[in-house]
Amino acid sequence: GAGVSQSPRYKVAKRGQDVALRCDPISGHVSLFWYQQALGQGPEFLTYFQNEAQLDKSGLPSDRFFAERPEGSVSTLKIQRTQQEDSAVYLCASSLASRHTYEQYFGPGTRLTVT
Amino acid sequence: GQQLNQSPQSMFIQEGEDVSMNCTSSSIFNTWLWYKQDPGEGPVLLIALYKAGELTSNGRLTAQFGITRKDSFLNISASIPSDVGIYFCAGQLGGSQGNLIFGKGTKLSVKP
Repeated sequence: GAGVSQSPRYKVAKRGQDVALRCDPISGHVSLFWYQQALGQGPEFLTYFQNEAQLDKSGLPSDRFFAERPEGSVSTLKIQRTQQEDSAVYLCASSLASRHTYEQYFGPGTRLTVT
Repeated sequence: GQQLNQSPQSMFIQEGEDVSMNCTSSSIFNTWLWYKQDPGEGPVLLIALYKAGELTSNGRLTAQFGITRKDSFLNISASIPSDVGIYFCAGQLGGSQGNLIFGKGTKLSVKP
């Protein structure tokens, strides 16, 4: 079956531009997570949705970062006024809302480069 | 942010060798997971562990959830060339919403 998909796969933005990154989770997966992965590091948690409710946004690095999932399916991560330190791979993961919530399945990521 | 201590950082493998890597934390985790990431791709789930002491296998991979709940290891037996990549451990703290904390990864490369 189809896995998690993300678009675009690559994004180059000039400093100060706004960007929007899209995630299509696995069909039927209630939970959705966003992570940021810097070069040579493991992914770091940004935010978590259960259906359309954003239950945890403690990992968002600044108020320039905003995520939404209005219909409980597709999610968008928006970064306003991008800075060079925002350059990273942004990963989306989804999971079933069950005992095995922690089995998260990742998309291929969006590599953001801010110039 | 908080990360797990994963070792070794890198290692070289020769086809047929067994490989071992581990992850430790100062905190107690409820769940441990192991992922593999290839260049340009997202992490792929290999094994999930839910109970202290649990030993789980997936083909040539074996992972264990440490008794203290502060560590886990992953073994790969009889390695093959396609095992190269970066392996990450990830854990879930009790009381969290399910977000994972990742190690920095162990990079497996082929011996020159």
